[in-house]
Amino acid sequence: EIVLTQSPGTLSLSPGERATLSCRASQSVNRYLAWYQQKPGRAPRLLIYGASSRATGIPDRFSGTGSGTDFTLTISRLEPEDFAVYYCQQYGNSAHTFGQGTKVEIK
Amino acid sequence: QVQLQESGPGLVKPLQTLSLTCTVSGGSISSGGYYWSWIRQHPGKGLEWIGYIYHTGTTYYNPTLKSRVTMSVDTSTNQFSLNLSSVTAADTAVYYCACSIVTLPAATPNFWGQGTLVTVSS
Repeated sequence: EIVLTQSPGTLSLSPGERATLSCRASQSVNRYLAWYQQKPGRAPRLLIYGASSRATGIPDRFSGTGSGTDFTLTISRLEPEDFAVYYCQQYGNSAHTFGQGTKVEIK
Repeated sequence: QVQLQESGPGLVKPLQTLSLTCTVSGGSISSGGYYWSWIRQHPGKGLEWIGYIYHTGTTYYNPTLKSRVTMSVDTSTNQFSLNLSSVTAADTAVYYCACSIVTLPAATPNFWGQGTLVTVSS
């Protein structure tokens, strides 16, 4: 099973700042990687698939990069509604595992 | 816009079968335009992908759960279902039904239900 390790566990930033979230896979997943946002008590929301393709309706301040084992989600300028937990997911392997999440909190 | 709603018992006894149904509105299962998925989230923890089903009945399950999972679709009621057998406390989680439009990867849902908490306890 492919293990995804997200870092940091918590990111404390202010609105308007840039957020950089990392996801590292235990073996290559090519570009079969997605990112989700989840707010408390809500279902996850798909942000990025294919490592860098934005899902419909996702603002362009969200961008994804990477391939193989190292991936990054960047939020260029944090808006108040962006403070949430972010998960990466690989779908290059049959178990389609998720990372443990990075919480982006208001500093 | 597709909308999804989970339903089923909130409490299941150990070793019994967990059964959930997802009712779809705003889209037709028989149209073949979506993959229909189940994902769960253990309390306070991360996400676990369970599997998906297509309107033809083709399924793809997480290998770690495959021996206990059965999914099905009912096009007459526009619902799809999850059965998870021989449950233990480790199966206590919020269960989400979700779907991916076929132009997206099947395992990356872009529409989700609100989730339903299922507790396994005697």
